[in-house]
Amino acid sequence: DAGVIQSPRHEVTEMGQEVTLRCKPISGHNSLFWYRQTMMRGLELLIYFNNNVPIDDSGMPEDRFSAKMPNASFSTLKIQPSEPRDSAVYFCASSLGQFIGTDTQYFGPGTRLTVL
Amino acid sequence: AQSVTQPDIHITVSEGASLELRCNYSYGATPYLFWYVQSPGQGLQLLLKYFSGDTLVQGIKGFEAEFKRSQSSFNLRKPSVHWSDAAEYFCAVRNSGAGSYQLTFGKGTKLSVIP
Repeated sequence: DAGVIQSPRHEVTEMGQEVTLRCKPISGHNSLFWYRQTMMRGLELLIYFNNNVPIDDSGMPEDRFSAKMPNASFSTLKIQPSEPRDSAVYFCASSLGQFIGTDTQYFGPGTRLTVL
Repeated sequence: AQSVTQPDIHITVSEGASLELRCNYSYGATPYLFWYVQSPGQGLQLLLKYFSGDTLVQGIKGFEAEFKRSQSSFNLRKPSVHWSDAAEYFCAVRNSGAGSYQLTFGKGTKLSVIP
């Protein structure tokens, strides 16, 4: 089985540019999570979708960040405009989303974003 | 709110030596507990998880972890470390309540292995 797929793996952009990160969850998984990893703050949950609907976006840092899940097999995280402090590794994870304790999240390889 | 503490930022062990990575959590009831490993430039791979039952859980790559409720701990162990185990290890906790989904991660412990 293919795991969670993320693209691009690396992104270098200039401040002010729009950045779009993509994620394909594991087939059959109903929940999708976007995380950000930085040295200072560790792993932070940005947003959580269940059945393509955003359930919790309280971790989204500000209005420059937006996320969509138009269907069960695709999600995007967009930053517009990007700033140097957005430089981080962004992970997508998916799970069965059964709302039971044994639900387990599986992570993609991440996108390393550098904003110059 | 739940929290996770990994007291050791960086640990160095010799290949073949035993390993124990510490994890302490703060949560009112019995949580669900996870250990993930992140190799350089890679995503997080699930090593093992604890939900209930036997407090000693076995994972992949020869790792095990023991849940100790009295100490609020979930330490990860391996009897003999291999050079390929060099990576960063994250402990995570989730609320055991119905409908819970939020994983709270520790800051991680970086493991270096001396040949």
